[in-house]
Parts: sequence; C-alpha cells; structure tokens
Amino acid sequence: EEQLVESGGGLVQPGGSLRLSCVASGFTFSSYWMTWVRQAPGKGLEWVANINQDGSHTQYVDSVKGRFTISKDNAKNSLYLQMNSLRVEDTAVYYCARPPARRFDLWGRGTLVTVSS
Amino acid sequence: DIVMTQTPLSLSVTPGQPASISCKSSQSLLDSDGKTYFFWYLQKPGQSPQLLIYEASNRFSGVPDRFSGSGSGTDFTLQISRVEAEDVGLYYCMQGIQLPWTFGQGTKVEIK
Repeated sequence: EEQLVESGGGLVQPGGSLRLSCVASGFTFSSYWMTWVRQAPGKGLEWVANINQDGSHTQYVDSVKGRFTISKDNAKNSLYLQMNSLRVEDTAVYYCARPPARRFDLWGRGTLVTVSS
Repeated sequence: DIVMTQTPLSLSVTPGQPASISCKSSQSLLDSDGKTYFFWYLQKPGQSPQLLIYEASNRFSGVPDRFSGSGSGTDFTLQISRVEAEDVGLYYCMQGIQLPWTFGQGTKVEIK
C-alpha cells in the first residue's frame, strides 16, 4: 500500500525552528517530485514547496522563501521541511503529498505545527 | 498569483439530489502542452484531502462516477449527479499551471 507518514510537528515559539519529516512507503520514492501543503486551523489549503526527484531543484511560495528548506533523502525514502524563523502565521497542519503531473494523488495525514509564545 | 474563486462557499443538499460547484481562475489554465492543469479535491471531515478530478475532467482512480468535472480556460464546474451522505466535506479547486500553485477558498457541502 502506498503511504506517506508525517512527523515532527509540535509547539514552538515565534522565531524558533522545527524540522518536519515524511516517510514514504509502497512506491518508488526516488522517481517522484514531492510537495508540502499546509492548512491553517479552519482555513483552506496552501501549497508550500516542491522538490524534484533527486533533490536538485526546489520551489517555494514567497511567504516561506529564505526561511523554509525542502529536502529529500531517497536512500531513506524521506522528505523533509526545515522551518526556521517561524511566525505565528505558520501555524498549520502540514501535509506531504505526491504530485505526479502536478496532481496530488497521495497525501499523508499531516502533522500540526503551532507557533505561539 | 492566479486567484481561484469558488461559488457557492456552502451548499446544503438533499440525498439523491444533484449538486454543482463552480470555480473560476484569474488566468487561463490551458498550458502549451495542451493540458489544463485544473484539479478538484475533497477533504472529508477529519481527513486529508483526496483527489477527485484531474486535468479538469478526468476522474481519478476509485472516484465514483457520480462525480464529473467540466470546463476549460478559466471556468470550471464539479457536478455530483446524486449526492450521498459520504460526500460531505470541503471541496477545493486548484490550479497547477503557474507557481505558486493555488487553491480556491473551499466549498462546504452538507446534507439536509
């Protein structure tokens, strides 16, 4: 069964850092671009970042550029999101997703990040 | 950024009746490769989003045939021919033609 499982969320103070992980199983992880999408409490979906198959190319929404870094380790079937200089407005459930042909055909259950003092 | 505007934002439907959601984009979603990068997702209560329709009109694997997508350019529609109780949730449209990929505000569908 194809699966994505996120972890690493939690409570962090403004200005702090957090690293999210997403472990993939059931498919050839190294063959796919991967994505992070977030959803603030009670709000809609927001695309955050993409990374290509070998990790050499990344894309970000403007609001996280320079603060967040997406990466992947194909040997560990893992996707990461390093989040620095966190702001209250970064509070959200963060989903990893698989986007073949730009359609998110597989989603994880998400991990909650709360930025608060 | 491309703005995706959904209407209505909420919908209350009697089981067995049809439902329709509209999504308009601020720019054409027809790419030079001939594909239209427009998608519909459903987020059931307490769950992650799931793909319903890709490239405007293609039903994703396992999606019931009561769901259909139509439209082109900037105007798109999701139709549910006969709503069932399991169809409740938030429906989102999304564009993938230009970064940042953007979603509509969501349409909440509930059962009467």
